Formats: sequence, C-alpha cells, structure tokens
Amino acid sequence: DVKVTQSSRYLVKRTGEKVFLECVQDMDHENMFWYRQDPGLGLRLIYFSYDVKMKEKGDIPEGYSVSREKKERFSLILESASTNQTSMYLCASSPFRTGGMGYEQYFGPGTRLTVT
Amino acid sequence: SQQGEEDPQALSIQEGENATMNCSYKTSINNLQWYRQNSGRGLVHLILIRSNEREKHSGRLRVTLDTSKKSSSLLITASRAADTASYFCATDGSTLGRLYFGRGTQLTVWP
Repeated sequence: DVKVTQSSRYLVKRTGEKVFLECVQDMDHENMFWYRQDPGLGLRLIYFSYDVKMKEKGDIPEGYSVSREKKERFSLILESASTNQTSMYLCASSPFRTGGMGYEQYFGPGTRLTVT
Repeated sequence: SQQGEEDPQALSIQEGENATMNCSYKTSINNLQWYRQNSGRGLVHLILIRSNEREKHSGRLRVTLDTSKKSSSLLITASRAADTASYFCATDGSTLGRLYFGRGTQLTVWP
C-alpha cells in the first residue's frame, strides 16, 4: 500500500513565522505535489516536483517555496506566514508519467494550518 | 483554465438510490480521474478512464467519458450512508503528470 504521510494534522502559527510542512512517501514515486484546499475553491496546485532537486510552479506559488533533497521527501515552506495562508494543505505523490500514460495520485491526510 | 467543473455542487439522496455526478472540462485530455474525499481527509483515487475509453466500471461505480462533449459522469449505484463525501474529477492533459481538479460535488446519503 502506498503511504503518504504529512508531518502534522493540525498546526497553528503566528503571522510572520517561517513554516515547514513535510511530506514523505514510501513508494519511490518520482512526482510529488503540494496543494491547498479552501472552501468553494477546490484544490489548487502550489508546486510540484518530478525529480530530486527539480520543481515546477503550480497555479498559486506566491508566498511559498519548496525543497526536494531526497526522492521520498517534499517540503513546503511558507517564508513568512500570513493569515491568508490559513488553509488545508494536501501533499500527493504519483509515478512519473510516461508515453502519455497518466497515473493516479496518492494523497496524504492533510495539514490544517491556521495562521493567527 | 484546464480545471474540470463538477455538477451539481451538492447532491442529497436516500440510501439505496443512485447518485450521478457530472464533470465538464475544456481542453483535450489523456485521461480523466475521479477522487473521493471524506470530511477533513486527503483524497482517495476511485477510478481512471483513458481518452480512448467510453465506459468503465469498478464495483458500484460506473464512469462514462464523452470526449466529443468534453464531459464525464460518475454513477454510484445503491448508495450507502458511507458514500457521503466530496467527489472530484481531475483531468490529465499536460506533461509531467500534473492533474487539474474541479471544485467537487458534495454528496450526502441519508440513512
């Protein structure tokens, strides 16, 4: 069974703090993704990575950065947390897409971040 | 936008009834996927249908795809209270394997 774990289920941080959200997968997947989910807006992609040290911006990268030093770990960093970054953050992984064949994504349980 | 759009936004039915959710999208795709999310949890993959397929079944789930109309439907037969969740469609029309998710349909099944 694929397992994607996230470092915290709930997190409360203060405005201006640097926040690290960690995600680890155990299936040797090449692709990893960070989404945020807000009511009425669905899932929005922040960043994704298709290989170690590689990253691609998603639809809403502003205010975020990522790090992928090891294949199994993908970190989302909020350089200076703001209240509008209060949200549910979801990490996912999938095998690398080859020859037009897409694959399903496996999600972690999510981290509900509150910035006060 | 390549995002899919689910319809309806919310659906409320009794146990035993069938639930049908629709998804429309705008660009060409390689495949379309459906996911389920229980409240406060991560998404779980349900089914993937490729662009050259028209229908696919998995247990009580039936998915159809009409690429000419750029639409898909998810049918859950004989619904149970445990099917209560949000359902999302996601399209894969790009390189590198990213998906474009819709905003979801909230399904409530009453006992």
